[in-house]
Amino acid sequence: SQKIEQNSEALNIQEGKTATLTCNYTNYSPAYLQWYRQDPGRGPVFLLLIRENEKEKRKERLKVTFDTTLKQSLFHITASQPADSATYLCARWNQAGTALIFGKGTTLSVSS
Amino acid sequence: DAMVIQNPRYQVTQFGKPVTLSCSQTLNHNVMYWYQQKSSQAPKLLFHYYDKDFNNEADTPDNFQSRRPNTSFCFLDIRSPGLGDAAMYLCATSRDRGQGPSNQPQHFGDGTRLSIL
Repeated sequence: SQKIEQNSEALNIQEGKTATLTCNYTNYSPAYLQWYRQDPGRGPVFLLLIRENEKEKRKERLKVTFDTTLKQSLFHITASQPADSATYLCARWNQAGTALIFGKGTTLSVSS
Repeated sequence: DAMVIQNPRYQVTQFGKPVTLSCSQTLNHNVMYWYQQKSSQAPKLLFHYYDKDFNNEADTPDNFQSRRPNTSFCFLDIRSPGLGDAAMYLCATSRDRGQGPSNQPQHFGDGTRLSIL
């Protein structure tokens, strides 16, 4: 099966530090990986997508990497703030391209 | 602002009593999706419409049905809700589907939280 695994359920860091979240996938390498943010009681919000031929993608304080050898994507938030506290979901399309498969997410808590 | 709107935000129904959740979009996207999300779990795709073409996931129970009367609206019908159907139901849209050159993110509504008494 085509799985997405986010091994850390929770990550606690101090304000100003860099948060690093991990997403691992199984089986075939997806052409794209997507990252979403979900706040409690709200729907996920799209943040970034990265193509397999892009090693790294940046958007403001966010950085995503894609390593097809390790079958892994890393999501970094630099200079983290309490407002960054949320659950972050990684997602990939299934091979048929008909369904987006989500990981369980990692809940980030940034303390001041 | 263009968006995805789900109504109601909270729905309480009785065991076995049919319930309908609604979703509307102003993005004019071709694809509309319904997900079920339980606490601390990944959103799980139930089905999607690609324009008028309905696509059911293999493990979606028959108890769940959907209708898309036009581009803007999509409904989720649960014919006989059981206690295990209590969850957040998320509607999402995308301009297209798949992971080709037109790879698109999905735009989500804020969900309907369904409780079963």
